[in-house]
Amino acid sequence: EAEVAQSPRYKITEKSQAVAFWCDPISGHATLYWYRQILGQGPELLVQFQDESVVDDSQLPKDRFSAERLKGVDSTLKIQPAELGDSAMYLCASRSPGTGKAYEQYFGPGTRLTVT
Amino acid sequence: AQSVTQLDSQVPVFEEAPVELRCNYSSSVSVYLFWYVQYPNQGLQLLLKYLSGSTLVKGINGFEAEFNKSQTSFHLRKPSVHISDTAEYFCAVSAGGTSYGKLTFGQGTILTVHP
Repeated sequence: EAEVAQSPRYKITEKSQAVAFWCDPISGHATLYWYRQILGQGPELLVQFQDESVVDDSQLPKDRFSAERLKGVDSTLKIQPAELGDSAMYLCASRSPGTGKAYEQYFGPGTRLTVT
Repeated sequence: AQSVTQLDSQVPVFEEAPVELRCNYSSSVSVYLFWYVQYPNQGLQLLLKYLSGSTLVKGINGFEAEFNKSQTSFHLRKPSVHISDTAEYFCAVSAGGTSYGKLTFGQGTILTVHP
């Protein structure tokens, strides 16, 4: 069964350093999402891609966060510089096309970021 | 804009007992509703979804949920829980149209099943 891949699974970084996360969605999924999940809360959308285009980045802190999906396949989320409040789980999801499953998102295992 | 409220942050229950996890939503447009389960340090797995049609939807692992439009609720139920159901459960809503399926999640309910 196809899965969304994310790496690394865990990342510890010092405050003010740069960090990057990678996501490879299920093949054929045009829509890709990055969510941030702070401990004890539900995921919150950071950025949403349709193919290589950003369709929603209203909740992305653009002074320090950036996201790209250059060829409309895999994606990278970057934080520079990292702050203590960025400690969270970063989840990537992709969505299947077509009816029936049109709103079903598949999540990767996430990257647990700890900023010290 | 839509929002989701999960009415219980923690639900303890004994094994083989029934359980209900409550979810209310608000939205100005028609919505699609979902329940996801998350085990520690893992991603989210879809349990079930309501898109249209029958208001009672069945999902994996014996879970079911009922969509109640008048009460704007989508409560999750299981008639007999197992130890392995211990996890965090998230209710989510998605509006149609050009939102490209953006999900808004509730705060989560931690279900703990005791032997």
